This record gives sequence, structure tokens and C-alpha cells, in this order.
Amino acid sequence: QKEVEQDPGPLSVPEGAIVSLNCTYSNSAFQYFMWYRQYSRKGPELLMYTYSSGNKEDGRFTAQVDKSSKYISLFIRDSQPSDSATYLCAMSLSGGYNKLIFGAGTRLAVHP
Amino acid sequence: DTEVTQTPKHLVMGMTNKKSLKCEQHMGHRAMYWYKQKAKKPPELMFVYSYEKLSINESVPSRFSPECPNSSLLNLHLHALQPEDSALYLCASSQASGRGYEQYFGPGTRLTVT
Repeated sequence: QKEVEQDPGPLSVPEGAIVSLNCTYSNSAFQYFMWYRQYSRKGPELLMYTYSSGNKEDGRFTAQVDKSSKYISLFIRDSQPSDSATYLCAMSLSGGYNKLIFGAGTRLAVHP
Repeated sequence: DTEVTQTPKHLVMGMTNKKSLKCEQHMGHRAMYWYKQKAKKPPELMFVYSYEKLSINESVPSRFSPECPNSSLLNLHLHALQPEDSALYLCASSQASGRGYEQYFGPGTRLTVT
């Protein structure tokens, strides 16, 4: 079993839709939860991070962490074609420098 | 400025060549990372430098040799690579404590080994 599971998609939605991206994990020691966006042939870009359980909102993006279920989500409201990218969840054991454990990444396509 | 720069953007090398990848950041970050990413796969950690010292080596073959000359620069020296080493090589940086999970990635160097 992988430490972090993420459906690779692809996920295709119409412009304006609400998108839900999810990851599950097995290591209950993870404390920090991140979402990265990666456009084709570019490096990953940090979108959001959350410490422990709870919700965090930034514009059209909302990140949720449910540590009791070992489940994290990223919601994108009013999706735009420019949101078309691969979304990677990542997790970390601590706040210091350390290894990020990535999910496989979900490819999202938002069509006009 | 949250930019990590990497050079070159593309590199084609033969199996007997020696080449180097370069990474630079000016965010005052004291942790720097090398990742390898194959197509349609997530990044895989190779090395971590903290305060210019090698802190994590994920059992990477010795044909990859990292170097951190100062707090802003990170190099990856390549020698006698194999075709399966062809990938996108990503550099990242973060604070060394407190917010190390907040890693900023460069655009990567796309390496092809022939």
C-alpha cells in the first residue's frame, strides 16, 4: 500500500464547475498537508498548505484535512480553463526540512 | 521574490559525458533539494542540503553527485548516466526549520541521456 493514494484521473469538467480533488494516506504521523499545481513541462507550484485538521480558503481554492479519516481534499470553485494542470497532494511529518511524500497527481482539464 | 532558477532548461548528453545542473535561489532559504520526476509521475526526492551540508541522500547512485557551494547555489554533477536517468530534474528550496514543508520549486532541467 502506498503512503499516499491519489486518483490520477484524468478529470474533465466544464468551465464554471466545482472541482473536488482528494487524497488518502496511511501514516497518521503526517502533520502538514500541501497541494501543488503543476502545468505541463513546468515545476510544481505550491497552492496551499494546512497544518493538522481543518479548512483553509484562498480565493477560489479550499483545502480540507480530516485526520480522523486520513483524507484531504482540494476544492476549486468556478473552475477556469487556466486551472487545467496536474494537482499533486503532498504530506510532511514535521515543519523542518524534510521529505515531502507526494501523491501520484490528478490531471485536470477544464474545457470552455 | 519567490523564484528558484535552474540552468540549463534542456540538456542532452551521452553516457560518457560529464555535465552539471545548476540551481539558484535568493529567498534566504537554508534548505535546498534535488528531485527527479519521470513523465506522469510525482517528484522523487534525491538529496537535501541543510545549511550547506548534505542531510538526506535517498540512496541515489554515485553517478549523481550533489554540491552546495554556498547558501544560494546548488549543483548536481552528472557522470556516466544511463538512458533511464532521462527525466525532469527539479530543484527546490525551503526554510530549514519551521516552514520546511513550504517548498518552492524551479522550472526544472529536462535531461535526455542518449
